[in-house]
Amino acid sequence: GDSVTQMEGPVTLSEEAFLTINCTYTATGYPSLFWYVQYPGEGLQLLLKATKADDKGSNKGFEATYRKETTSFHLEKGSVQVSDSAVYFCALRRSILTGGGNKLTFGTGTQLKVEL
Amino acid sequence: NAGVTQTPKFQVLKTGQSMTLQCAQDMNHEYMSWYRQDPGMGLRLIHYSVGAGITDQGEVPNGYNVSRSTTEDFPLRLLSAAPSQTSVYFCASSYSQASPWEKLFFGSGTQLSVL
Repeated sequence: GDSVTQMEGPVTLSEEAFLTINCTYTATGYPSLFWYVQYPGEGLQLLLKATKADDKGSNKGFEATYRKETTSFHLEKGSVQVSDSAVYFCALRRSILTGGGNKLTFGTGTQLKVEL
Repeated sequence: NAGVTQTPKFQVLKTGQSMTLQCAQDMNHEYMSWYRQDPGMGLRLIHYSVGAGITDQGEVPNGYNVSRSTTEDFPLRLLSAAPSQTSVYFCASSYSQASPWEKLFFGSGTQLSVL
């Protein structure tokens, strides 16, 4: 079945450091890929998405590129801030052509802590 | 803007008790869903609805019931709670029933413990 694997956290960085959170997936065909973020005490929010191979999703300084050859969708940011401290979830939805339904498959989440 | 509102935020139940987790959204979204989040397992879909009067099962529906009598509300019922249902529950909605995955709006979650 479909699955999403994320690097375990917590990831602790100093402010202005470079961030990478790894995400790899297993799915039939060409799924759509997402990153969601959960700030403390809040629900998940869509951060960015990519719907086909080589697409780059970007938002709020975060980027992720859909790599079909490595089945990856790593999240990156060049300079993190304390306000980026949150839990980040990678997710996929299988394409309609391969039976994708009304369901997102989520990874386990990676907690990011950014310190001054 | 209220968005997606879940109540209660925390709940402790004894095995065998019943309860309802409430979810309401004020965005006129057609699509609503319930997920549970367990350590090391990510979020898993319990039930979903594409409109009033229409519900369907997700990947882990056993032990849970839902109904959708209005567009705004989508309650999740536990008829006889079990310790395996200890989890954090998230309600999520979307404006598009055709592509609900495009942007889901989540509530802040309900932490449920079953003793």
